Amino acid sequence: KNEVEQSPQNLTAQEGEFITINCSYSVGISALHWLQQHPGGGIVSLFMLSSGKKKHGRLIATINIQEKHSSLHITASHPRDSAVYICAVVGGATNKLIFGTGTLLAVQP
Amino acid sequence: NAGVTQTPKFQVLKTGQSMTLQCAQDMNHNSMYWYRQDPGMGLRLIYYSASEGTTDKGEVPNGYNVSRLNKREFSLRLESAAPSQTSVYFCAASPTGAYEQYFGPGTRLTVT
Repeated sequence: KNEVEQSPQNLTAQEGEFITINCSYSVGISALHWLQQHPGGGIVSLFMLSSGKKKHGRLIATINIQEKHSSLHITASHPRDSAVYICAVVGGATNKLIFGTGTLLAVQP
Repeated sequence: NAGVTQTPKFQVLKTGQSMTLQCAQDMNHNSMYWYRQDPGMGLRLIYYSASEGTTDKGEVPNGYNVSRLNKREFSLRLESAAPSQTSVYFCAASPTGAYEQYFGPGTRLTVT
């Protein structure tokens, strides 16, 4: 079993929909990252959080340390949000980033 | 500022050839990392360098070597390329491991 699991693996939404991507992890962590990877490959860090909630524009990330779970929400989704969203945790035996396999999001106009 | 740069962007090698992937950062960060990304798998850490002059193995170090030449540069060498090393390679830099990591644009390597 992977230490970081994301769901769903693939998600198709219509423009304007509210989107939720989930991340569960099985190791102790010091922080959790949400990353975005666009077609063409570049990876950008969206959030780093260790508790509570963070908001940036239409993106909201939450984490529940007790339940070992985080969610990434996108409000009023747009086709330009189409990308792979990757959850990664800092923790485990090495205290290095452990990555989920990503969620491929396609937002249709 | 360029952030994290990688060269080359694309490379095709024959089995047994060697090559070095270059990475440089202009953010004055202490830590640098090399990852590989394969279909259906999360990014996996090959090697990392917590600070200038130090390097450590990550999850998948076999077949690779690294050099932290100075604070800016961290190179990844394939001494004898194998088809299993076909992948996209990303370099990243961060102030420390727990903080935000800044990724380079990636190198797409094919070994035939």
